[in-house]
Amino acid sequence: KQEVTQIPAALSVPEGENLVLNCSFTDSAIYNLQWFRQDPGKGLTSLLLIQSSQREQTSGRLNASLDKSSGRSTLYIAASQPGDSATYLCAVRNSGNTPLVFGKGTRLSVIA
Amino acid sequence: DAGVIQSPRHEVTEMGQEVTLRCKPISGHDYLFWYRQTMMRGLELLIYFNNNVPIDDSGMPEDRFSAKMPNASFSTLKIQPSEPRDSAVYFCASSSQGERLGGYTFGSGTRLTVV
Repeated sequence: KQEVTQIPAALSVPEGENLVLNCSFTDSAIYNLQWFRQDPGKGLTSLLLIQSSQREQTSGRLNASLDKSSGRSTLYIAASQPGDSATYLCAVRNSGNTPLVFGKGTRLSVIA
Repeated sequence: DAGVIQSPRHEVTEMGQEVTLRCKPISGHDYLFWYRQTMMRGLELLIYFNNNVPIDDSGMPEDRFSAKMPNASFSTLKIQPSEPRDSAVYFCASSSQGERLGGYTFGSGTRLTVV
């Protein structure tokens, strides 16, 4: 059974810092991996989707990497801003026919 | 497309009452998922459909929960009778094999409070 772990559970950084959020999964035979952002009381917004054949994806100040063999993904946020404060969730899909399995998220606070 | 649409946004009900949550997926998506989110357990999959057919309902907590997808543009999640421990945010999501190779789009969720 796939399990997804995100460390740390919470993180507080000063504005302008570069930071890394970590995600690990127990079954490396994944189909894809998706990073989401969730603001308090809101739904999930997809940030980046990495297919199993890819090593990384970039969108603006965000870069997500995938190392399938070690069962790890990282989300890199450059030059963090207070508006980046949110919970970031990592989720993996084992095949095209199976649902996403989520980690519990990392709650990020960027202090001005 | 307006995205995945859920209703109501908020629901407050008394214990024992029936609750129905609704979801309209993105047109053309062939997968629909119902998740429940709580502080303690995070996001848990309740049930998912492919082409309107339930594929896996092993996450449905008990017989009080039921879900239907009568057509490609509508799904319901029903709780009868509701209990305080059902209080959570319920999310619906849809995806397609062909679009963005299986990326999910989530609705805004329904916050359920059972008193």
